[in-house]
Amino acid sequence: GAVVSQHPSRVICKSGTSVKIECRSLDFQATTMFWYRQFPKQSLMLMATSNEGSKATYEQGVEKDKFLINHASLTLSTLTVTSAHPEDSSFYICSARVGTEAGELFFGEGSRLTVL
Amino acid sequence: GQNIDQPTEMTATEGAIVQINCTYQTSGFNGLFWYQQHAGEAPTFLSYNVLDGLEEKGRFSSFLSRSKGYSYLLLKELQMKDSASYLCAPMDSNYQLIWGAGTKLIIKP
Repeated sequence: GAVVSQHPSRVICKSGTSVKIECRSLDFQATTMFWYRQFPKQSLMLMATSNEGSKATYEQGVEKDKFLINHASLTLSTLTVTSAHPEDSSFYICSARVGTEAGELFFGEGSRLTVL
Repeated sequence: GQNIDQPTEMTATEGAIVQINCTYQTSGFNGLFWYQQHAGEAPTFLSYNVLDGLEEKGRFSSFLSRSKGYSYLLLKELQMKDSASYLCAPMDSNYQLIWGAGTKLIIKP
């Protein structure tokens, strides 16, 4: 199957700093990538849809100025958590779809963010 | 609204068979996915059903009834490594996947 790589897998930062998470499609081009957040024992929550060459589409309740998404190329999308706070500590996962809109989602390995 | 209903947790014995049920309500429907998620890891794809019926793939099978808004994942010859959460995710008319909290499956020796 297609490979999506996410980096870093774990990051610990101090409150008030910014953290960047990268998501790369390694063997295919992804015009659309999705960013999710997952708290322990809860469902995946879609944060935003990242579109190559255009602005991301954010879900209701997700602050676009806090969670900056950039999709500069067909193989790379980045999520920057700005001015991170302890409540932003979570598991962040990116995914990309291969082929049609109904194609399966391939997920990155996920990034566990801990804000002290 | 859109809704998914799966059991929170199930326990089964190594070597046995287990069926994880899922009922759903979505705005439109473009198929249903099952994903496996081990603790601390990202989900991995298991199956996709868009037509009614049973799809078999090795030890795992998935069934769909669109008219009933119902799907199940059947796992045979259970192995310890099958201990994970299983996520039922229907796709709505906008091709958005709707995620529930999943079913945590515990396999005992």
